[in-house]
Parts: sequence; structure tokens; C-alpha cells
Amino acid sequence: GQQVMQIPQYQHVQEGEDFTTYCNSSTTLSNIQWYKQRPGGHPVFLIQLVKSGEVKKQKRLTFQFGEAKKNSSLHITATQTTDVGTYFCAGPGGKTSYDKVIFGPGTSLSVIP
Amino acid sequence: GAVVSQHPSWVICKSGTSVKIECRSLDFQATTMFWYRQFPKQSLMLMATSNEGSKATYEQGVEKDKFLINHASLTLSTLTVTSAHPEDSSFYICSAWSGFSYNEQFFGPGTRLTVL
Repeated sequence: GQQVMQIPQYQHVQEGEDFTTYCNSSTTLSNIQWYKQRPGGHPVFLIQLVKSGEVKKQKRLTFQFGEAKKNSSLHITATQTTDVGTYFCAGPGGKTSYDKVIFGPGTSLSVIP
Repeated sequence: GAVVSQHPSWVICKSGTSVKIECRSLDFQATTMFWYRQFPKQSLMLMATSNEGSKATYEQGVEKDKFLINHASLTLSTLTVTSAHPEDSSFYICSAWSGFSYNEQFFGPGTRLTVL
């Protein structure tokens, strides 16, 4: 079945430093989604990327979808303590946009003030 | 935005008992909901897809007789953990596509189950 891998598993950064997490799939993805889960909380949808080479920005967050649609990245500029949490990428597990998604293992971000 | 609620938020039960968890879409109708399980420091593992008015579709390795799913209405899906054992202790989360924005999935706050 479809598998989505993420690296690194953990990342500790000093506040103000940048952070990047990478997501890789063994198969071509029709789309990829990113979620953030704060400690003790539930996943919150951040964004969906659909087009090859797509780049989207949300304030300090930059999301990128690879040209081959097999990899993606999330980059946070100048991290803040509010960025603490686990970031998951997720790929489609079915054939339609309303179908199930399969989550990657996640990258846990710690920000040292 | 769309809201998904879960009840209870946490539950402690004795081994061998059954526990029912409710997932509701509060301001939209959801013909499909998803149930996930998450162990500490791990990712979300999809358990099953809950379909309104029909049988749930279970992921490989998930026991359908142990994890009973009922999606009786367009706003409610329930997950019953039958004959719970300590290894069933986990964080159970439901989700649904809102329909407001077809590519955005909303998650409930989760239910933390502890089986003694």
C-alpha cells in the first residue's frame, strides 16, 4: 500500500531558527496535505498541495510539492514557541478527494526559547 | 469553520467492558467519517471509514467485531470498543470532510481511552 515517510523524526531548534521537515512517497501522489498537532491536541489541517512544483505560503510557513509529486516539504522561518507540535504530511489513501488519507510518521518540533 | 465534536473526551474502564465513543459533525452533514487511533508519540493510524447508512470499511488488521462502527445519521458516527483490554488504551480521533471546502478534513478533539 501507499506509504509516506517523513524526516527528521524529531527536531529541536532555538527560537528564531528555521525548521524544515521533508515528506517522501514511494508512489506519485495526486495531492499531499499537511497537518499540525499540538501536544495533547488533535490534528489541524494546514494546507493541501495538488500541482507539480506547487509552492504555497502561510505567513512564516512555506509548503512545497515536488515536480514528480513524490515529495513535499514544510519550511518554517524564524520559529516561535507557538510552532511547537508535530507536523504530519498525509497522502490520499483512496481515489477521490473525499477519501481517506494516510498519515506519515510526523516530525516533532521543539522550540527552545 | 466546520466543527467536529467527540464524546467523551476521556474514559477509564475496566478490562472486559465495552466503551462507546461518539463523533458528531456540528454544523455540516458528513456522509463519511473516519476513525483513527493514535498511540503516544506515534502517528495517526486509520482504523476504518464510516459510511452513513451502510457498513464501515475497515483497514487491514483492524478487527471489525471488536471495533463496532455505526453511522446512523449524517451527523453522528459511533465507535464501540467491545471487551476492551489494556492494549486498547489509546487516543481515538474521528474526522470528516466538511463539504464547505472539499479538500479540508476536520478532526474531532479526540477521546483518550484507558483500560485498567
